[in-house]
Amino acid sequence: DVKVTQSSRYLVKRTGEKVFLECVQDMDHENMFWYRQDPGLGLRLIYFSYDVKMKEKGDIPEGYSVSREKKERFSLILESASTNQTSMYLCASSLPPGSGKETQYFGPGTRLLVL
Amino acid sequence: SQQGEEDPQALSIQEGENATMNCSYKTSINNLQWYRQNSGRGLVHLILIRSNEREKHSGRLRVTLDTSKKSSSLLITASRAADTASYFCASSTGTASKLTFGTGTRLQVTL
Repeated sequence: DVKVTQSSRYLVKRTGEKVFLECVQDMDHENMFWYRQDPGLGLRLIYFSYDVKMKEKGDIPEGYSVSREKKERFSLILESASTNQTSMYLCASSLPPGSGKETQYFGPGTRLLVL
Repeated sequence: SQQGEEDPQALSIQEGENATMNCSYKTSINNLQWYRQNSGRGLVHLILIRSNEREKHSGRLRVTLDTSKKSSSLLITASRAADTASYFCASSTGTASKLTFGTGTRLQVTL
C-alpha cells in the first residue's frame, strides 16, 4: 500500500514564525502536492512538484515556498506565518500522467493553528 | 479558483437508501475522480472515470460522466452508517497530474 506521512497531525505556531511541514511518500512517486483545506472552499493547490528540485505554483502560492531535495520528501515552508494561514494542510503524491494510474494518495493532514 | 461545484452541499439519508451526489466542472478534462474524506483525515481515492467513458462501477459505487454537460454524478447504493463522510470530485486537465477539487458533499447516513 502507498503510504504518505506528514510530520505532525497538529501544530500551533505564533505569527511571524517560520514553519516547516514535511511530507514523505514511500512509493517512488514522481509527483507530490501540497493543498490547504478550508471549510466551504474545498482543497486548493498551493504547490506541486513533478521531479526532484522541480516545483510549480498552484492556485494559492502566496506566502508559501516548497523544497524537494529528495524524491520521497516534499516540504512546505511558511516563511512568516500569519493567522490567515490557519488551516488543514494535506500532502499527496501520484504517478505521472500516462502511467495509467493518476490517482493521488493523501497523507493524514496537518492541522495548523497560527496565533 | 475552484473548478468543481458539488451539489448538494450536505445530504442526510437513512441506512439502506441510495445517495446521489453531483459535480459540475468548467473546462475539458482528461479524467474525473471521486474521493472520500472521513472527518479530520486525509482523502481516499474511490473511483476514476476517463473523459471517453460514460459510466463506471466499483462495488456499491456508480459514477456517470456527461462531458456535454460538464457534469458527473456519484451514486452510493444501499448506504451504510460507515459511508458517513465528505465526498469530493476532482477534475484532471492538461498534461500535468494536477487535480482541481470541488467543494464537497457532506453525507450523513443514520441508522
